[in-house]
Amino acid sequence: GENVEQHPSTLSVQEGDSAVIKCTYSDSASNYFPWYKQELGKGPQLIIDIRSNVGEKKDQRIAVTLNKTAKHFSLHITETQPEDSAVYFCAARAVHDKIIFGKGTRLHILP
Amino acid sequence: GAVVSQHPSRVICKSGTSVKIECRSLDFQATTMFWYRQFPKQSLMLMATSNEGSKATYEQGVEKDKFLINHASLTLSTLTVTSAHPEDSSFYICSAKLAGVYEQYFGPGTRLTVT
Repeated sequence: GENVEQHPSTLSVQEGDSAVIKCTYSDSASNYFPWYKQELGKGPQLIIDIRSNVGEKKDQRIAVTLNKTAKHFSLHITETQPEDSAVYFCAARAVHDKIIFGKGTRLHILP
Repeated sequence: GAVVSQHPSRVICKSGTSVKIECRSLDFQATTMFWYRQFPKQSLMLMATSNEGSKATYEQGVEKDKFLINHASLTLSTLTVTSAHPEDSSFYICSAKLAGVYEQYFGPGTRLTVT
């Protein structure tokens, strides 16, 4: 089955700097890669996603890149702000629409 | 965006009792709903996939007789934790999706504490 690896587990960046979170997946048949932001005590919120027929997607300060050959995908957050502090999960869509999550990255934005 | 609600948001029950958690899609009809469990500082683990009008499909290692799932309508799925034990204490989250689209929308979660 699909397996998603995510790094780093914790990331601290200075406010205003960029943050990058990287993920790999194992199943070459996976074709949809969402990213979720989870704040303490809340459910995950979809922040951006990318399909396998696209290499890059951007939405304001957030961008995602996908390298299908290497089975890598990454989340880039620019001009980080205090409200970006949260846990971020990458995920991949597997068979039967199952979403398989990475282990998460705890992002701390330092003042 | 699509809205998914869960009820209750928090529940405390005694060991040996059962508790029901509801998941509703408020502004769309969800052909498929998913149930996840999340332990503190861990990722979401898929428990089961629920399609409206049919039996749920459980992931390996998830006891179907302990975690009863009912998806009676296109806007409601329920998860019943039967004979709950302290190790069942966790954050339970549902998600819902429309047929033919990839996006899943998550509920706010239900914090279950079994004493």
